[in-house]
Amino acid sequence: SQQGEEDPQALSIQEGENATMNCSYKTSINNLQWYRQNSGRGLVHLILIRSNEREKHSGRLRVTLDTSKKSSSLLITASRAADTASYFCAPMDSNYQLIWGAGTKLIIKP
Amino acid sequence: EPEVTQTPSHQVTQMGQEVILRCVPISNHLYFYWYRQILGQKVEFLVSFYNNEISEKSEIFDDQFSVERPDGSNFTLKIRSTKLEDSAMYFCASSVPLSYEQYFGPGTRLTVT
Repeated sequence: SQQGEEDPQALSIQEGENATMNCSYKTSINNLQWYRQNSGRGLVHLILIRSNEREKHSGRLRVTLDTSKKSSSLLITASRAADTASYFCAPMDSNYQLIWGAGTKLIIKP
Repeated sequence: EPEVTQTPSHQVTQMGQEVILRCVPISNHLYFYWYRQILGQKVEFLVSFYNNEISEKSEIFDDQFSVERPDGSNFTLKIRSTKLEDSAMYFCASSVPLSYEQYFGPGTRLTVT
């Protein structure tokens, strides 16, 4: 399987804490993207990191990419209740196709 | 901010019936996609479309599926003879040339009974 695999499958933390989600993949990639999905809703693009980048920031989000280990992480700092959602990593392969994992379900407890 | 729209939000159909799911991509986007997500499972790529033709399709996208861009704004997914296992959320997405970010619509929940 070429799909991205998120870890953990579910994560529950207190509001204000940091949340870290990891992703591993098997194929060579052009870039890797993270998406958020609120329950029963559409997918929202969060951040894209190119294969030649190691780290990228966007607001409270920090993404790292280690192409030698074929892994990525998404850190959400100072979590808020509104961050409760499922988070998907989607590596983009050499055919420019996004490969989806099962996601991490993040619950932020108030 | 421009966004991808999809209609209907929920479609209930009987097994064997044809359904057409509609999408209006963002106006200056040229690449279009359909994905599906069976409840509780991962997102699955169905097809990508560029320059009025299919550029990639997955194994799921068999002969019962077809896509069309009937005019300058709509992008449709047709399922000719629906099966129970076609029940899923169907997402349309679009992107601009030279950008890898895909913008997703809110989805159409298809329920086949």
